[in-house]
Order: sequence, then C-alpha cells, then structure tokens
Amino acid sequence: EDKVVQSPLSLVVHEGDTVTLNCSYEVTNFRSLLWYKQEKKAPTFLFMLTSSGIEKKSGRLSSILDKKELFSILNITATQTGDSAIYLCAVEAGQGAQKLVFGQGTRLTINP
Amino acid sequence: DARVTQTPRHKVTEMGQEVTMRCQPILGHNTVFWYRQTMMQGLELLAYFRNRAPLDDSGMPKDRFSAEMPDATLATLKIQPSEPRDSAVYFCASGLAIGQGPKMNTEAFFGQGTRLTVV
Repeated sequence: EDKVVQSPLSLVVHEGDTVTLNCSYEVTNFRSLLWYKQEKKAPTFLFMLTSSGIEKKSGRLSSILDKKELFSILNITATQTGDSAIYLCAVEAGQGAQKLVFGQGTRLTINP
Repeated sequence: DARVTQTPRHKVTEMGQEVTMRCQPILGHNTVFWYRQTMMQGLELLAYFRNRAPLDDSGMPKDRFSAEMPDATLATLKIQPSEPRDSAVYFCASGLAIGQGPKMNTEAFFGQGTRLTVV
C-alpha cells in the first residue's frame, strides 16, 4: 500500500525561526512529490519535485527531494505569522495510472 | 482565473438522507480527484478519474458512496444513505496528464471543498 508520512505532525516556533518539515514515502512507481500549503480552505500548491538533489526555491521557502532515501524536506527561513498553516506532502505514484497520495500534514504555528 | 468549483460549500443533513456533491474541474483538465479530509485521517483519496473513466475508487465505502463523471465539466460524489461518520470536508481537485504515459503534467488544483455535517 502506498504510504506518505510527514513529521512532525505539529510544530510551534517563534517568528524569525527557520523550520524544516519532513516527508518520507513508500510507494510503487514514484513519479513526483508535491508540497501544498493549507490555511483555512483549499490546499494551494507550493512545489513539484521530480529529480533528486535539485533544490526548488520560492522566496523564503525551499524544498529538495532525495529519491534514494525516499524523502523530501521543506524549509522555511525567517518565518512569519502568515506562514502558519498545515503543510501537506503528496506523492504521485501507483501502478498503471498514477494517483496523488497525501501525508497527514504538519500543522505549523508561528508565534509573534 | 481558472479554478475548480465545488457545490455546495456547506451541507447539513440528517442521517439516512442522500447527499450529492458536485465539482466542475478546470476546463481542459482530464484528471479529477475526490478527497475527504478529517482531523483524524487527514486527506484521504476516495476516487479519481482520467478522461472521465474511473481509475481507482478503492478508498470509497462502496455500499454507500458513488462517484461519476457524466461529462467532462462535471464530477459528482454521492452518499446514500449518509451517516454521521461521513461528516468531513470533501475536496475535488483536477489536473492534467497528457501524452502516452499516465504521469501528471501539472499539479492538482483544489476546489474550496464541501463541508458536510451529518446529524
């Protein structure tokens, strides 16, 4: 069974801190790994990673994939209260036509 | 501004009633996912379609849930009869896979969700 595991499940830090969120996976026929941010409503897309070792960056957020060790990390530097959200990791995988399988998410709270 | 549209946004119903949730995927997208999100389970994949054909609905309780795509602009998720444990937010997402292989070429775009409460 395809599995995506995120850690930690919950994290509380102070504004300005740097955080690292983890996502590990065990799936058949891996295609890509995606990170989403969910605030009050629908998840919004952050990154799609398909190749190992290539960092994707967007402002204070960055992410990298390790296909050998089957994990990805999402880094947020100089955190702000607006970064508070649930961060979801999803893997596109499966036999035949691929599907998106999500992890449990990491609930990140940034305190002022 | 292309977006996935879900209706209704909120639904409160009594146990035993039929519930139908609708989703309009982004025009041109050929892959549609249905997810259920709860605090306990996170985002669970219920079913998904490629080019309107159901590919995997193993995440759905078959006795009460059904998912269909009557046409390329509409996906439906039906629960009959509904139970209190079905209370959750139901998300629809769409994406695009092109070419011979099944790989997605875009990320999945999510609708705003339907918050279902079964009392």
